Amino acid sequence: DAGITQSPRYKITETGRQVTLMCHQTWSHSYMFWYRQDLGHGLRLIYYSAAADITDKGEVPDGYVVSRSKTENFPLTLESATRSQTSVYFCASNQGRVTEAFFGQGTRLTVV
Amino acid sequence: AQSVTQPDIHITVSEGASLELRCNYSYGATPYLFWYVQSPGQGLQLLLKYFSGDTLVQGIKGFEAEFKRSQSSFNLRKPSVHWSDAAEYFCAVGPTNDYKLSFGAGTTVTVRA
Repeated sequence: DAGITQSPRYKITETGRQVTLMCHQTWSHSYMFWYRQDLGHGLRLIYYSAAADITDKGEVPDGYVVSRSKTENFPLTLESATRSQTSVYFCASNQGRVTEAFFGQGTRLTVV
Repeated sequence: AQSVTQPDIHITVSEGASLELRCNYSYGATPYLFWYVQSPGQGLQLLLKYFSGDTLVQGIKGFEAEFKRSQSSFNLRKPSVHWSDAAEYFCAVGPTNDYKLSFGAGTTVTVRA
């Protein structure tokens, strides 16, 4: 199916564990983003990528790692999950400036 | 750096009544402006966008927004809300020299019968 998909949709993990959230888009958009959504904060940018093998930090990157070996995939890894990383994570993509971003359905992550 | 303020955290409106959601931005030049809607458990869907030209922008689902440069605002309006408009609404700004969006904290809209 065309679009942007995230997996898993829901995840419960324990403090200290590594967890990877997957994001896949079928449009070949150059730019991809990871946001986290928390009550009272709206969406905050974690990491973004302008192209394969090009990534950069956003507003709240600490505790997260990303990679982009292929244009269509942009996984987000929590190296050692903490309770403060309990959140809803959204992946998005766009073709560049002057275009809107398209969002995945989100991954609800709970760290216990 | 750009920033977005949505002053209203929560708005309750009766079905059939009009709705206006406020958005103020801070940016040195004319930004690109967006409104997104998020239904419960869903991702964000674009309602409308402003890049240039006519300052009154029409979007999907009967929404419109007006860009007012003098007030640094981009308020969203709908003349008559439906129960299905209950959702969270986000205003976002994108600079003209970059591709990252900054989002406001969101406004939750409740529609009562």
